[in-house]
Amino acid sequence: EVQLVESGGGLVQPGGSLRLSCAASGFTFSDYWMNWVRQAPGKGLVWVSRINSDGSSTNYADSVKGRFTISRDNAKNTVWLQMNSLRAEDTSVYYCARGSTYFHYWGQGTLVTVSS
Amino acid sequence: SYEVTQPPSLSVSPGQTASITCSGDKLGDKYVGWYQQKPGQAPLLVIYQDSKRPSGIPERFSGSNSGNTATLTISGTQAMDEADYYCQAWDTSTVVFGGGTKLTVL
Repeated sequence: EVQLVESGGGLVQPGGSLRLSCAASGFTFSDYWMNWVRQAPGKGLVWVSRINSDGSSTNYADSVKGRFTISRDNAKNTVWLQMNSLRAEDTSVYYCARGSTYFHYWGQGTLVTVSS
Repeated sequence: SYEVTQPPSLSVSPGQTASITCSGDKLGDKYVGWYQQKPGQAPLLVIYQDSKRPSGIPERFSGSNSGNTATLTISGTQAMDEADYYCQAWDTSTVVFGGGTKLTVL
């Protein structure tokens, strides 16, 4: 069974940093692209970033480019999202999702709240 | 940047057909996916590559895409189909989601 489990969310002050983790199991992690998608409270889905299967290629939404960094360790079956210079508008549930073009599997999300 | 637009809400009676649209410039030239999201849950892929259904998705869910509009069709809508629905497309290595359509079955 495919499982994606996010962790690392919490309350952080504006300008602060946070690192999210997504632990994968139930499939060959090194075969798949991985993504982060976020959803502000009561709002829609927003794609954040993706990384290819071997970690050599990454893409970012304009809203996070230069502040967020996606990375992965295929030996640990884990993908991370390093979030720096956080803003109030980054407050969201952050989902980890598997796939290169469509997201067939999602985690349950981790809440990030940016507030003083 | 590329944008896709959905109507914010749609109401349908049980057993009727619900058609949720997603509009974007030359959207028919791109592949579209659709996700269902119920309160407190992660999204669920119900249609990919315009019209394909993932394993386990009921046949009443179908999709099409042509011109500037993609459509998710739910035939014989059931109460359990009440949810938010999001379209998704790709544009130059970035993913674009529509704003979502809240489907009410009443």
